[in-house]
Amino acid sequence: GDSVTQMEGPVTLSEEAFLTINCTYTATGYPSLFWYVQYPGEGLQLLLKATKADDKGSNKGFEATYRKETTSFHLEKGSVQVSDSAVYFCALSLLYTGANSKLTFGKGITLSVRP
Amino acid sequence: GAGVSQTPSNKVTEKGKYVELRCDPISGHTALYWYRQSLGQGPEFLIYFQGTGAADDSGLPNDRFFAVRPEGSVSTLKIQRTERGDSAVYLCASSLGRWGRGTTGELFFGEGSRLTVL
Repeated sequence: GDSVTQMEGPVTLSEEAFLTINCTYTATGYPSLFWYVQYPGEGLQLLLKATKADDKGSNKGFEATYRKETTSFHLEKGSVQVSDSAVYFCALSLLYTGANSKLTFGKGITLSVRP
Repeated sequence: GAGVSQTPSNKVTEKGKYVELRCDPISGHTALYWYRQSLGQGPEFLIYFQGTGAADDSGLPNDRFFAVRPEGSVSTLKIQRTERGDSAVYLCASSLGRWGRGTTGELFFGEGSRLTVL
């Protein structure tokens, strides 16, 4: 079945450090890929997305490129801030089925950024 | 309201009791989803509504779980004879609808209802 695998956490970084969070996927079709973020005390919210191979999603200084050849969608940020401390979820959706955009999530990874 | 609203935010119940969790989606969103998030895990799909009908209920763990959306807006997730293993955060999300009608797959989530079964 379809699945998403995220690197093990938690991750603790100092402010202004470079961030990479790995995500790989397995899917029977051609998924759209997403990163969702959950800040403390808040609901899940979309951070960025890419709907086809080689697309790059970006938002708030975060980037991720859809790599079909390696089935990956790694999240990167050049300089993290304390306010980036949150739980990050990689997810996929098989939109081509037309019937729905059901998301399959990874386990999530907790990022803590120290001042 | 502007976002997806879920009530209650917290529910503590005893094993064997019946529980209802409510979700009020974003106005105009025809698609509604329920997910369950256990501690340390990502959200797991339970059920999806397109309008009033349950288009995909493949994620419901057993027949103790049931959800309705009678008027195509508010949805209620119902859990009968609760068990300790049902303890989790239950998330509701909504989206514009089917692919090709302006959706890119983005789901808008509520803050969740935390269920604790003692």
